[in-house]
Amino acid sequence: KAGVTQTPRYLIKTRGQQVTLSCSPISGHRSVSWYQQTPGQGLQFLFEYFSETQRNKGNFPGRFSGRQFSNSRSEMNVSTLELGDSALYLCASSGDRDYSGNTIYFGEGSWLTVV
Amino acid sequence: GENVEQHPSTLSVQEGDSAVIKCTYSDSASNYFPWYKQELGKGPQLIIDIRSNVGEKKDQRIAVTLNKTAKHFSLHITETQPEDSAVYFCAASMYSSASKIIFGSGTRLSIRP
Repeated sequence: KAGVTQTPRYLIKTRGQQVTLSCSPISGHRSVSWYQQTPGQGLQFLFEYFSETQRNKGNFPGRFSGRQFSNSRSEMNVSTLELGDSALYLCASSGDRDYSGNTIYFGEGSWLTVV
Repeated sequence: GENVEQHPSTLSVQEGDSAVIKCTYSDSASNYFPWYKQELGKGPQLIIDIRSNVGEKKDQRIAVTLNKTAKHFSLHITETQPEDSAVYFCAASMYSSASKIIFGSGTRLSIRP
């Protein structure tokens, strides 16, 4: 069974540009969450999507957005990039089994560098 | 708000010795406690988890203990090996939503040869 797949793995962008990151969850998983990981802030929750609807959102500015497609694949977009957006962006998927717990599985991440 | 504190932030042990990482959580409604291992350049990988209806779980050299009364849980790695070197994250959540999972700040474990 394939794991969570994220593309691209590495990218460099210039301040002011925008970026789109893609995530394919584990087959059968309907919940996709996004996290930002930086050395100073650890793992910060961005948002979660379930059945194409944003279910929860973390404390990030509106420049950070996402969406989920009918096949559960998800994308996140960051507009007007700032230097501080340089981070590892992690996608995680979950089977969302309410009565059995929510084990989430992470992808390898997308390394974004803003210059 | 909900919080998970993790200690120590760095840990160095001799190969073959045991390593213990401790976490405390604030939300008494938390009932699921996973541990993740993150190697350099990779995403976090689930290594073991425990639910609130058990006090201990073991998987080969790894064990996790949970004390719900004190709201703390620990990861124990025995007979450490060089490949155990990584950053370890604890987390706490409720069943109802994956987005409510709260992560600790991480422990960088180094195994000395």
